[in-house]
Amino acid sequence: EPEVTQTPSHQVTQMGQEVILRCVPISNHLYFYWYRQILGQKVEFLVSFYNNEISEKSEIFDDQFSVERPDGSNFTLKIRSTKLEDSAMYFCASSEALRLAKNIQYFGAGTRLSVL
Amino acid sequence: KNEVEQSPQNLTAQEGEFITINCSYSVGISALHWLQQHPGGGIVSLFMLSSGKKKHGRLIATINIQEKHSSLHITASHPRDSAVYICAVHTGTASKLTFGTGTRLQVTL
Repeated sequence: EPEVTQTPSHQVTQMGQEVILRCVPISNHLYFYWYRQILGQKVEFLVSFYNNEISEKSEIFDDQFSVERPDGSNFTLKIRSTKLEDSAMYFCASSEALRLAKNIQYFGAGTRLSVL
Repeated sequence: KNEVEQSPQNLTAQEGEFITINCSYSVGISALHWLQQHPGGGIVSLFMLSSGKKKHGRLIATINIQEKHSSLHITASHPRDSAVYICAVHTGTASKLTFGTGTRLQVTL
């Protein structure tokens, strides 16, 4: 069964460093998302991406964050200068389309980001 | 802004018990998802529904659009059902999901 893959599974970084989290969405999917889950809290939306541009973003997704689809398969989330509060599990998801039957979002296993 | 509430927050059941997890939301939605999060953190989509009822194996999900409420039922629960169950909603044409806080289910022998 096709799946969303994320790498790395765990990333440890020093405060102030840049990190790039990588995702390979399901190949025929057109909509891509990043969510995050701080330990013990609920999952929160960060950004959605369609047709090579951001379609929606949350207030969490400030200038420190960016997303890119550098080639036909990868979808990346970059955090320019990490803060302690960026420590969380980051989930990538993809869906085929927006209309109801095709709007099921498939999630990757997540990248646990630890900022020291 | 859509608020998504789940109850109970924690649930312990014995193997074989019938389980119900509830979800309510504050604003009209286009669809609701039930998701399962395993102890390692991975999230799996169980159902997406916009009306009525869906069944998959021992899992049943129902939604009442007028009452802004959905339930997830697990029949004949098993220890392998132990996980966090999360309700998430799409509002309007927005593609993003708004998540509930999750219900932690532990099924014991």
